[in-house]
Amino acid sequence: KAGVTQTPRYLIKTRGQQVTLSCSPISGHRSVSWYQQTPGQGLQFLFEYFSETQRNKGNFPGRFSGRQFSNSRSEMNVSTLELGDSALYLCASSLAVGNSYGYTFGSGTRLTVV
Amino acid sequence: GENVEQHPSTLSVQEGDSAVIKCTYSDSASNYFPWYKQELGKGPQLIIDIRSNVGEKKDQRIAVTLNKTAKHFSLHITETQPEDSAVYFCAASRAGGGADGLTFGKGTHLIIQP
Repeated sequence: KAGVTQTPRYLIKTRGQQVTLSCSPISGHRSVSWYQQTPGQGLQFLFEYFSETQRNKGNFPGRFSGRQFSNSRSEMNVSTLELGDSALYLCASSLAVGNSYGYTFGSGTRLTVV
Repeated sequence: GENVEQHPSTLSVQEGDSAVIKCTYSDSASNYFPWYKQELGKGPQLIIDIRSNVGEKKDQRIAVTLNKTAKHFSLHITETQPEDSAVYFCAASRAGGGADGLTFGKGTHLIIQP
């Protein structure tokens, strides 16, 4: 069965712009979580969506937002991009809210802000 | 919030030898401890996990141990092979609703020397 699909794989944006990343979870998975991975800070939790509702949120500014659609696909948006937003953005899906069933991660979207 | 420390940051072992990676956590309410393997250009892949009601879990060459009293858990890989070379992450969370996602360690770069 298909894994977690993230698009696009690579993205270059200019400081001040906004960006939207997409994530399609494994069929049947209803929870989608987003993480930011950087060399300095490692993997950090952004937010989790379940049944089109944000259930949990990490410690990131309001410029980072997301949403989930009725088919469980999710998008995250970053507005007013800063150089420090350059990172690998990972999406993970699971059967239920929280981490009881473990995550399956996608390969990520590599965002570079110039 | 939760804080996870992981050691060592780099581990080089001879092929066929064993590798041990150690993590400590701070939140006594954490009850779910997964380990992920990340290869270059890919997202993290769950390799084994353990819940707080279990002290040890094994899956072929991989085992994880948990000491709740000391708040530490370890990954053991026996008979290492070249394909074990990757970055390994430990994580901790309070599984279920209300969890703040997974808190990850900074990662261990495991190098298997031929």
